[in-house]
Amino acid sequence: EDQVTQSPEALRLQEGESSSLNCSYTVSGLRGLFWYRQDPGKGPEFLFTLYSAGEEKEKERLKATLTKKESFLHITAPKPEDSATYLCAVQEGRGSTLGRLYFGRGTQLTVWP
Amino acid sequence: EAQVTQNPRYLITVTGKKLTVTCSQNMNHEYMSWYRQDPGLGLRQIYYSMNVEVTDKGDVPEGYKVSRKEKRNFPLILESPSPNQTSLYFCASRNQGVGQDTQYFGPGTRLTVL
Repeated sequence: EDQVTQSPEALRLQEGESSSLNCSYTVSGLRGLFWYRQDPGKGPEFLFTLYSAGEEKEKERLKATLTKKESFLHITAPKPEDSATYLCAVQEGRGSTLGRLYFGRGTQLTVWP
Repeated sequence: EAQVTQNPRYLITVTGKKLTVTCSQNMNHEYMSWYRQDPGLGLRQIYYSMNVEVTDKGDVPEGYKVSRKEKRNFPLILESPSPNQTSLYFCASRNQGVGQDTQYFGPGTRLTVL
């Protein structure tokens, strides 16, 4: 059973058409939820870390929010250069230390002009 | 420049021939980890290390070994590679500052086991 589920698997948007990506998780003892962007053939690039429900972070056209069981990545007025796979990861806590880091399978975003 | 380096970037080998993929970071981070990425399965954590001489299993540790003898290096060892270990591998280094947990990934190593 997946600890982290992302939806949709793929999303096609026209330039300027805002939308949201979803990340839901079942990991207990959350110690952080991360969003990454990955371009083909490259390593993931860090975007945001969220720690507690109600927290929000923004960067250019991206805004990440967190509730108790899911996170959303909102993309406002996207541009073609925002096309990439967006990955969500959840950090498990293990007592006073960190446990495993679980990734979702990603949402492949395509923005066309 | 802050970076995570991996070598080699591409490797083709045969079943059973021991190999090591090196990983090095220049950011003095304590936390490092290895992942494999497969189509349809996403990124899965193989091993992680909280500090020197401290390592722990991730989600898919079978068939892999790691060592952390010094802070900057975290090699991944495949003692007897098999075709199901053909994958794209990423090393990552993590800054766990309070309120600013950030993970940096290397460029990846594409491994093919024949």
